[in-house]
Amino acid sequence: AQKITQTQPGMFVQEKEAVTLDCTYDTSDQSYGLFWYKQPSSGEMIFLIYQGSYDEQNATEGRYSLNFQKARKSANLVISASQLGDSAMYFCAMSDSWGKLQFGAGTQVVVTP
Amino acid sequence: ETGVTQTPRHLVMGMTNKKSLKCEQHLGHNAMYWYKQSAKKPLELMFVYSLEERVENNSVPSRFSPECPNSSHLFLHLHTLQPEDSALYLCASSQVLGTGRSGANVLTFGAGSRLTVL
Repeated sequence: AQKITQTQPGMFVQEKEAVTLDCTYDTSDQSYGLFWYKQPSSGEMIFLIYQGSYDEQNATEGRYSLNFQKARKSANLVISASQLGDSAMYFCAMSDSWGKLQFGAGTQVVVTP
Repeated sequence: ETGVTQTPRHLVMGMTNKKSLKCEQHLGHNAMYWYKQSAKKPLELMFVYSLEERVENNSVPSRFSPECPNSSHLFLHLHTLQPEDSALYLCASSQVLGTGRSGANVLTFGAGSRLTVL
C-alpha cells in the first residue's frame, strides 16, 4: 500500500524568504509520480509541480522546485522568494503505476510581511 | 467556461433531503474523480470514472451515488446523509494515458462544493 507523509502541520515564513515543505512516501511500485498541489482559502486545488520516479533531474517550475531523493523516499517542495499570495495549504501527492493519486495531510503555510 | 466547474459552491441539507452535486470539465479529459475533504483529514478518493465507466469505488456508503453521463459531466447524488458527511467535495479531471502506464496524470480540480448536513 502507498503512504504519503507530511509531518509539518503549519509553517510561518517571511516574505522573500525560501521555505521547504517536507514530504516522504512509501510505495512498492517501481513507477510512480510525485505531485505538489496548493489549496488557497478559496478551496480550489492548484497543480504546482510533478516529478516522475524515473526522472533524474529535479523538477522546477518558476519559484517551485522539487527536491527528489529517491533512496530516502522524499520529495520536498522548495518555494523560493516567498510572496504573500503563497499563503495556502500545500499537499504532496503520489500516483501509482495506474495513475491513481493519493494525498498527504497537507502543510499550512503563512507568509508574513 | 474553462477548466472544471462545480455547482453549487455551497449546499446545506437535512438528513432526509435528496440533492445532487454537479461537475463539468471543459478540458477534453477522459477521466473524472470525486474527492472528499474533511477537516483535519487527507483528501479521500471516492470515485473514479475513466471513459465514462466507473473504475474505482473506495468503499463509499451507498448514500452517495455517482453518475457520469458523458466524459464532460459528473454528478454526485446525495440521499439521507449524516452530519459526518459534511465536507468539501472536490471534483477533478485528467487525461489518463492508459492502464499500466505511469506519467504525469495531472488532475485539474474544481473549486469544490461545501456541503453541510444538519
